[in-house]
Amino acid sequence: GQQVMQIPQYQHVQEGEDFTTYCNSSTTLSNIQWYKQRPGGHPVFLIQLVKSGEVKKQKRLTFQFGEAKKNSSLHITATQTTDVGTYFCASIRSNDYKLSFGAGTTVTVRA
Amino acid sequence: DSGVTQTPKHLITATGQRVTLRCSPRSGDLSVYWYQQSLDQGLQFLIQYYNGEERAKGNILERFSAQQFPDLHSELNLSSLELGDSALYFCASSVEGAGGNTIYFGEGSWLTVV
Repeated sequence: GQQVMQIPQYQHVQEGEDFTTYCNSSTTLSNIQWYKQRPGGHPVFLIQLVKSGEVKKQKRLTFQFGEAKKNSSLHITATQTTDVGTYFCASIRSNDYKLSFGAGTTVTVRA
Repeated sequence: DSGVTQTPKHLITATGQRVTLRCSPRSGDLSVYWYQQSLDQGLQFLIQYYNGEERAKGNILERFSAQQFPDLHSELNLSSLELGDSALYFCASSVEGAGGNTIYFGEGSWLTVV
């Protein structure tokens, strides 16, 4: 089974609006990574969070790692059509090397 | 271009057949990962190699096997193929095999079993 759960599975956003996708785990994560997969493409690394409470920004994207290191979020402001795709979080359990991906949040944008 | 090369890009084969997917990691990367992506299963981790040795194993079927060669390229062998094996198979690589490394995905190999 998946180590991390992502919600929502689908996100339909009006262009210009903000949205957030969440990644949750029942166990403490050593780190968390976020990837974006455009339709018909391959996953592309966006960012990695390691520290408790860490917040990182990439232009309109804000990534956060929870204080307990059991959850993470990706917030996108002023959504654009270029934000279309599936966003995955991924993590490695502390006791093995498996990089497991969440089910992803597929984002569509209404112009 | 991630630097990870996968061949073939597309493959159509019949049930019961055997295929080999090939992956060349980025220059300098020692670790190779294989993932299966189907519409209803997301990205499923299959197996990981690091410098020629198996490092981690996921939900890989017994009909599937993989290896990493001394030149660090990897092959994923799929045998006794079933219709349900139709999927996009990704190879990815990273510098090291432990957590904390960015992994770079190839463009994938589309397998269709008919």
